[in-house]
Amino acid sequence: EPEVTQTPSHQVTQMGQEVILRCVPISNHLYFYWYRQILGQKVEFLVSFYNNEISEKSEIFDDQFSVERPDGSNFTLKIRSTKLEDSAMYFCASTPGGGSVHEQYFGPGTRLTVT
Amino acid sequence: GQNIDQPTEMTATEGAIVQINCTYQTSGFNGLFWYQQHAGEAPTFLSYNVLDGLEEKGRFSSFLSRSKGYSYLLLKELQMKDSASYLCAVRPTGRRALTFGSGTRLQVQP
Repeated sequence: EPEVTQTPSHQVTQMGQEVILRCVPISNHLYFYWYRQILGQKVEFLVSFYNNEISEKSEIFDDQFSVERPDGSNFTLKIRSTKLEDSAMYFCASTPGGGSVHEQYFGPGTRLTVT
Repeated sequence: GQNIDQPTEMTATEGAIVQINCTYQTSGFNGLFWYQQHAGEAPTFLSYNVLDGLEEKGRFSSFLSRSKGYSYLLLKELQMKDSASYLCAVRPTGRRALTFGSGTRLQVQP
């Protein structure tokens, strides 16, 4: 069964550094998403991406964040100048296109630790 | 805005049935989803409801009442591996992003 993959599984970085989290969505999916989950808290939507542009974003997704689809398979989340409060699990998800309601398929996540 | 409420924790016995409730207030509605999440892992899809009524999927069923802003997830024949958090998520009209509740942590005891 096809699945969403993410790398790395764990990233440790120092405050102020930039990180890039990588995702490979399911190959025939058209919508891509990033969510985050701070330890012990709920899953929060960050951004969705369709047709090479951002289609929705939350208030969390400010100028510190950016997304990119650099090639036909990867989908990345860049966090500039990381802060301690950026420590969280970051999940990538994807869905097929079309008008029907589809479940979102989540990747295994990247645990980001900012020290 | 959106507001989703679920109980924080529940405990049930192996082999029993448990019902996890979810209430929501959203500006528009286009589906309610249930996900299971084991500690340290990604959410995995269980079921979704768009129309009122019951959706059954093996040991799991989910019910929706749009007029009441209410859903429940029913887990039958509980197994120890069902110990996990159960996340209720709503998809508002015109959007694809999901808004998640805080989740219900279910502990299944022998």
